[in-house]
Amino acid sequence: NAGVTQTPKFQVLKTGQSMTLQCAQDMNHEYMSWYRQDPGMGLRLIHYSVGAGITDQGEVPNGYNVSRSTTEDFPLRLLSAAPSQTSVYFCASSYVGGASEQYFGPGTRLTVT
Amino acid sequence: EDQVTQSPEALRLQEGESSSLNCSYTVSGLRGLFWYRQDPGKGPEFLFTLYSAGEEKEKERLKATLTKKESFLHITAPKPEDSATYLCAVQKNNAGNMLTFGGGTRLMVKP
Repeated sequence: NAGVTQTPKFQVLKTGQSMTLQCAQDMNHEYMSWYRQDPGMGLRLIHYSVGAGITDQGEVPNGYNVSRSTTEDFPLRLLSAAPSQTSVYFCASSYVGGASEQYFGPGTRLTVT
Repeated sequence: EDQVTQSPEALRLQEGESSSLNCSYTVSGLRGLFWYRQDPGKGPEFLFTLYSAGEEKEKERLKATLTKKESFLHITAPKPEDSATYLCAVQKNNAGNMLTFGGGTRLMVKP
């Protein structure tokens, strides 16, 4: 089992560029989510999905889009990158229901200049 | 509003010097409280889930406890390899799998 994988590991964008952060899991988890981690702010939820075709917004969704066409994949799209989106992004997955522990990917460090 | 506060922000210990990390929370209807360990440049790694006040869980040198307002992560005779950031998160009833995280405690254990 690879668990939760994320690509790329590092990325530098210019303001206004778009890109997609990839996330995949091989644990057959229904729930997948994206967080960003900033110094002094902790982990904050961007978007989440409880299954293929179902997505919803978290705490800080502005500037990001998601889709869930398969159980395994949950890409995060930055439509027009801004310096405020410089952060480390983590994808996580878990079973739905109960207090299921979430498994995190290794993260993508994004810098927007 | 749900809040999770961890203290201290940073903690330096000598190897073998036991201590505790605190996680205070304000949430209506707690479903579960989670502890994670995060090493530099890595994603958080799951440690424990606590469900109700009075519950305790142990793993090697770590023991997590839960009251109605806070959770403690006790570290007994820590080793340098215990150095990491420890994160606390809460999940509440009727909120699906959404987690609210605290800011973390950065633990440094010197040999």
